Amino acid sequence: GAVVSQHPSWVICKSGTSVKIECRSLDFQATTMFWYRQFPKQSLMLMATSNEGSKATYEQGVEKDKFLINHASLTLSTLTVTSAHPEDSSFYICSARKTSSNEQFFGPGTRLTVL
Amino acid sequence: QQQVKQSPQSLIVQKGGISIINCAYENTAFDYFPWYQQFPGKGPALLIAIRPDVSEKKEGRFTISFNKSAKQFSLHIMDSQPGDSATYFCAARVPGNNRKLIWGLGTSLAVNP
Repeated sequence: GAVVSQHPSWVICKSGTSVKIECRSLDFQATTMFWYRQFPKQSLMLMATSNEGSKATYEQGVEKDKFLINHASLTLSTLTVTSAHPEDSSFYICSARKTSSNEQFFGPGTRLTVL
Repeated sequence: QQQVKQSPQSLIVQKGGISIINCAYENTAFDYFPWYQQFPGKGPALLIAIRPDVSEKKEGRFTISFNKSAKQFSLHIMDSQPGDSATYFCAARVPGNNRKLIWGLGTSLAVNP
């Protein structure tokens, strides 16, 4: 067990539009989910930590009004990139932590390209 | 103090050889040290992890050596195979409610056949 899915796996959108990415824990409940972005050949950069039923905690430098995070249930968190611009093009990865575990399980990532 | 320094940035090893990747940290409050493997276009996958009260952990061909006094830990891949070619990240966990990870910059490993 401990499978995390992301949808979509890739998306291309026009500048100025909004894009929603879903992260689901398929076979476990996740109290906490994390959202990362990763540029080519770079490390993962934590954007925000999402706890079910409460507001997300954003890392320094991440605009909360631009990257909207909703964690409405123990198995689903969403990241919405609002008014996307080409510089938002990146690989977005979510992870989920089991309620009773120390380990983070990662999704397969979503490739966002903003034209 | 929240940084995790990883080296080398890239590594080339012959098939059957030993791959060694090193990480160093400053924050003695970190309570969990995982290693992740990532293939291009995929999310990271946990390879092996260790707690600071253990000096070594081995799982198959993968071993973590942990030196608490030196604040260093390393990943050893024995009998390296071409299929091990990937990017490896070390990380350290911040204790607390959210338990977020602080990541190293990654090591690109290429195992030549």
